[in-house]
Amino acid sequence: ELKVEQNPLFLSMQEGKNYTIYCNYSTTSDRLYWYRQDPGKSLESLFVLLSNGAVKQEGRLMASLDTKARLSTLHITAAVHDLSATYFCAGQNTGNQFYFGTGTSLTVIP
Amino acid sequence: DVKVTQSSRYLVKRTGEKVFLECVQDMDHENMFWYRQDPGLGLRLIYFSYDVKMKEKGDIPEGYSVSREKKERFSLILESASTNQTSMYLCASSLDGNQPQHFGDGTRLSIL
Repeated sequence: ELKVEQNPLFLSMQEGKNYTIYCNYSTTSDRLYWYRQDPGKSLESLFVLLSNGAVKQEGRLMASLDTKARLSTLHITAAVHDLSATYFCAGQNTGNQFYFGTGTSLTVIP
Repeated sequence: DVKVTQSSRYLVKRTGEKVFLECVQDMDHENMFWYRQDPGLGLRLIYFSYDVKMKEKGDIPEGYSVSREKKERFSLILESASTNQTSMYLCASSLDGNQPQHFGDGTRLSIL
């Protein structure tokens, strides 16, 4: 079974600052996904990382994957209030089953 | 855009009742999933299906069953609801293994 761990679980950061959320996984994962969830809403796909060294960027968010270290990161640049949400990473095994981390609750303070 | 529709946003049922949660997707996706989401536990997979009439157990299938009679519809059944099944239930679908899952809005189920 693929185990996925995120840290930190809670993150409070000031607007304009940079920070990184980490996602470690226990065994080989073919792919790594990042999702965003706003309070009371469902999950929205942010990034799909398909290979070692993959890097994807959208606005102030950048995700990367290091399959050798079994680590993915979600980097936030110059945070703004609109980025406040819970972020989940998920790994996927060859059986198409997804395994989610417990999520990182991000609060951006003005 | 992919649309995953769950039949109810909020549902209140009593202990011992049989409960049906319905999920429909409109993009001809092969794979469909049912999760429950609880604070501090993230998303836990209950069941998934990769084809009509096919189902696979996830991490926490006990007390649940599923039905997939048509490709677009995946139903979650609580055979005899218990209070520890009070949770947010999320349905998702995906086209194939290289694509992200698309989620419905969720059903917040309370068992009294």
